[in-house]
Amino acid sequence: SAVISQKPSRDICQRGTSLTIQCQVDSQVTMMFWYRQQPGQSLTLIATANQGSEATYESGFVIDKFPISRPNLTFSTLTVSNMSPEDSSIYLCSVEKVTEAFFGQGTRLTVV
Amino acid sequence: LAKTTQPISMDSYEGQEVNITCSHNNIATNDYITWYQQFPSQGPRFIIQGYKTKVTNEVASLFIPADRKSSTLSLPRVSLSDTAVYYCLVGDMGGSTLGRLYFGRGTQLTVWP
Repeated sequence: SAVISQKPSRDICQRGTSLTIQCQVDSQVTMMFWYRQQPGQSLTLIATANQGSEATYESGFVIDKFPISRPNLTFSTLTVSNMSPEDSSIYLCSVEKVTEAFFGQGTRLTVV
Repeated sequence: LAKTTQPISMDSYEGQEVNITCSHNNIATNDYITWYQQFPSQGPRFIIQGYKTKVTNEVASLFIPADRKSSTLSLPRVSLSDTAVYYCLVGDMGGSTLGRLYFGRGTQLTVWP
């Protein structure tokens, strides 16, 4: 199993600013994943973060808007840049152990 | 990746058995079927996974017919705490797609007293 801690759990931000979300795992993992869940919607994969290489982004997501860091095998950050109200969502970090995915509690972001 | 189709919502009463069916007509030979549960303000949680026939754990059973074009998640004797969104996912458990999950709309299960 894996225990994932995300910080902050929630935040209210002004449009045009940036927020960095932290994700800490209790064990080393090769890949970490970032998802977005817009209000009332399902989860959408943003990117895959590998340690030592640039993140791989899914269609519709770009590095300038969602820069990701992966400094070691237990930690990753996702930054939501130049925020607008449309970025108001829950952002979740995930890791895979064997064939089971584990998720953090999520960061609820509100942009005003 | 195989697309999945589930009912948007289901209602049940405490103590009843609930069966949620997922269609995945273009499932590939290497694909597994996995179900996740999500409570409000929490990340999804793994429930069960299978490839064919029947899988059972302490939480649920998963029934997969021979053609694997659908699957049914069975929750025995549900309680109020089973009210959640249930997601059916289909994908290769290895290779480049490992860990990259593509969620459909899910099924909102509401259990009433």
